[in-house]
Amino acid sequence: DADVTQTPRNRITKTGKRIMLECSQTKGHDRMYWYRQDPGLGLRLIYYSFDVKDINKGEISDGYSVSRQAQAKFSLSLESAIPNQTALYFCATSDFGIRADTQYFGPGTRLTVL
Amino acid sequence: AQTVTQSQPEMSVQEAETVTLSCTYDTSESDYYLFWYKQPPSRQMILVIRQEAYKQQNATENRFSVNFQKAAKSFSLKISDSQLGDAAMYFCAYRSRDTGNQFYFGTGTSLTVIP
Repeated sequence: DADVTQTPRNRITKTGKRIMLECSQTKGHDRMYWYRQDPGLGLRLIYYSFDVKDINKGEISDGYSVSRQAQAKFSLSLESAIPNQTALYFCATSDFGIRADTQYFGPGTRLTVL
Repeated sequence: AQTVTQSQPEMSVQEAETVTLSCTYDTSESDYYLFWYKQPPSRQMILVIRQEAYKQQNATENRFSVNFQKAAKSFSLKISDSQLGDAAMYFCAYRSRDTGNQFYFGTGTSLTVIP
C-alpha cells in the first residue's frame, strides 16, 4: 500500500464551488505539506504543518485553507474555486530533525475548475 | 527566499548514452540539502538523489550521479546508460537546514529518451 495517499485523484468542478482535497499518510511523519504544480512553474508550497497544532502559510496560500485533523491527515480546501486554481496538487510528508531532509509525495490530484 | 533555476526546459538523449541536467540555486546559507526528483507520466514524484551541502563528495545512486559545485551554486544531474524508463520531468530542489523545512523547486526539465 502507498505510504501517502490522496483523494480524489482527479476532480472537475465549477467556479464558486467549495472543494476539499484529502491526504493521508502511514509513514508516521509529523510534517505534512501541500503543493501545487503548474506547467513551467514547478511546485509551489501552499501550506505546511509541523504537527496538529502548527500550521503555516506557504508561498501561495491565498484562496486556500487547510485542516490537520490528525497526525496522519491533512486536508486542503478551496472555499470558492476559480479557474486559475486548475492545477496538479501534491501532498507530501517528511520526518523531523536530521531525518527531515527528504519529502515523500502522494500521487497527486488533478483539479480542473471550469 | 531561495531560488532554484533549471535553464533547460527540455532535453533529449539517445538510449544508452549519457545526459546531464543543469541546476543552479541562489542562497546565502552555508548548510542545506539538494535533491533531484523524477516525475514520470504517472505523476508520482520520485526521489532520485540527494546531496548534503557540507559533504564534498558527490552523491551517486547507480546510474545517477551529481556534480555539486558549492562555490558556483551548481548541482547538475548526470544519467549514465540512459534507459527508456528514464523519460520523465526532472525537478531540482533545495532545502535549508537552518531556516525551517521548506523546499524550493525548480521549474523542471523534460527528458526524452530516444530509442
